[in-house]
Amino acid sequence: EAQVTQNPRYLITVTGKKLTVTCSQNMNHEYMSWYRQDPGLGLRQIYYSMNVEVTDKGDVPEGYKVSRKEKRNFPLILESPSPNQTSLYFCASSLRTSTPYEQYFGPGTRLTVT
Amino acid sequence: TQLLEQSPQFLSIQEGENLTVYCNSSSVFSSLQWYRQEPGEGPVLLVTVVTGGEVKKLKRLTFQFGDARKDSSLHITAAQPGDTGLYLCAGAGVNTGFQKLVFGTGTRLLVSP
Repeated sequence: EAQVTQNPRYLITVTGKKLTVTCSQNMNHEYMSWYRQDPGLGLRQIYYSMNVEVTDKGDVPEGYKVSRKEKRNFPLILESPSPNQTSLYFCASSLRTSTPYEQYFGPGTRLTVT
Repeated sequence: TQLLEQSPQFLSIQEGENLTVYCNSSSVFSSLQWYRQEPGEGPVLLVTVVTGGEVKKLKRLTFQFGDARKDSSLHITAAQPGDTGLYLCAGAGVNTGFQKLVFGTGTRLLVSP
């Protein structure tokens, strides 16, 4: 089954404790992206990747890191989480040849930072 | 920064009613997409419109892209409880490209039996 998976689905952590949210897709998509969703603000893009080893900032990249060492994986790293990073996070992927990009989203990761 | 404003924010209607959701911006977009998101899940793409004035129909859902490519609407005919969800519009900027989608704030729809 074609899908985007995220782990964990739920995470409660404390300020400053490094964490990684994993994202994996099995559709051989070149493009992958991370978003955060907050009430009243909609989905905002954090980082995106056009292909392996190619990443770029979205609209709200501060406090986050990403890497794209393999085509299927695009982990989101919070090196020193803070309470304002409490949010619902989504990973998405798309073929670059399907323009406009038709993004497939993962199920989301709900992060709480205390 | 390009912004997409959706209205209304919330809509609660009875089964069988018609409704329209609007997505507006002061910026021009090269394409506009509509997604539906259900609780506990990620958004799912419903439609993509790319040409000014374009109208697409998906069963009871009708999507329109404004002539100037700054706005879009989603019309649902004879709404059903299965239509309940969060509807999001998303635009690809003319200068920023498809890789940087801008999402609207969403319209939460509740259709009661």
